This record gives sequence, structure tokens and C-alpha cells, in this order.
Amino acid sequence: GAVVSQHPSRVICKSGTSVKIECRSLDFQATTMFWYRQFPKQSLMLMATSNEGSKATYEQGVEKDKFLINHASLTLSTLTVTSAHPEDSSFYICSARGEAIRGVNEQFFGPGTRLTVL
Amino acid sequence: QKEVEQDPGPLSVPEGAIVSLNCTYSNSAFQYFMWYRQYSRKGPELLMYTYSSGNKEDGRFTAQVDKSSKYISLFIRDSQPSDSATYLCAMTGGYQKVTFGIGTKLQVIP
Repeated sequence: GAVVSQHPSRVICKSGTSVKIECRSLDFQATTMFWYRQFPKQSLMLMATSNEGSKATYEQGVEKDKFLINHASLTLSTLTVTSAHPEDSSFYICSARGEAIRGVNEQFFGPGTRLTVL
Repeated sequence: QKEVEQDPGPLSVPEGAIVSLNCTYSNSAFQYFMWYRQYSRKGPELLMYTYSSGNKEDGRFTAQVDKSSKYISLFIRDSQPSDSATYLCAMTGGYQKVTFGIGTKLQVIP
């Protein structure tokens, strides 16, 4: 099956620092990657959609200058949380979709990254 | 009104019971319906995938979609303690963003 990895799995940082999270599709080419945020007892909230080689599309209310997304290749997307603050502490999950995978709208999720900002 | 409504539970059942998980939705454009299982502190994993109305069975799991009622269900037969997780319904109209339910937390008691 399609495998998506995320790194790091957990990060603790001081307020004001920037954190980069990597999302990789290991055995397929991901034409589209999605970044979600999940707060405790809440559903997955889509932050942005990125297509390889183009700028990400951000959901309403998500600051594009704070959450920088780079989808540089068909197997790698990165999310950088700039100048992180305690309210950015959350579980960040990426997912990937590849046209070659069954040809349908199926997303494969990474294991998630738990960010804690002190 | 949320696009997708799902009871967050928690739902506790004894081992071996049949579990019924449900979601309702309001967007008639949704055509693809998914169920994901998420263990604590892990990413969601796809369990079932259904297009349009009808039933789909995979082992102990059965997914049902009733588009006329805008209602989807996931049934788990012979539930096991290892089934204890949060189950999220998800749906989309096509190559668009996927909308998730809040998830139902299930606990299967040995």
C-alpha cells in the first residue's frame, strides 16, 4: 500500500522559533499533498493544499506567511511554522494523493507531528 | 450547520458486539465516502471507500451509503479490543478537499 512518512514525529520548541515538518510519499508520486491540523477533540481541519511545482492554496483563516508550504518534488512537501507561538501547538498531519493510485480521490495520511510550543 | 455531523461518543461496547457508526451530511455534491480509523496520537488510516449509494463489505467491516437520506454508516461485526480507536467519516465531491467528521471514539471492552 501507499506509505506516507512525516518527520519529526514530535517537536518541542520555544516561542518565536520556526519549525519545519517534512512529509514524504515513500512508494508513489504525490501530485497533491494536503496539510491538516487537529486540535484535541476536534476534527481534522484542512490548512492548505499543495500541488507539485506550484504555490499552495490556503484555506480561509490560515495565514500563508506563517505556515509556509513547499512542494518541491513529487515525493516531498514541507510545512514551516514560522515564529511559532503556544497557540500553534497542535497535531499536524499531512496526506498525499497520487494520480496513479487507483485513479480516485484517495488520500494517504502520514503519522502526524505533534508540535508543542513553550 | 456543519457539512458533516458525527457523534463524538465515546461509544463503549463489549467484545463481540456489532458496532454501528454513523454520519449525516448536508452537501448533496458529496459522492465519495470514506471511513478512517485513527489510533491515539497517530495519523488516520483508510478503512473503507465507497462511491455513491450502496453497501461495501470488507471482512468484519461494512460501509453503507444512503444518498437520499444523506446518511452513511460503518458496521463492525465481532468487535475486538484492537478496534478501539476513533473512527472518522470523510466525504468529497471529487477532486476537491475532503471534509471530515469530528470522529467517534470507540472502546471495545474485553
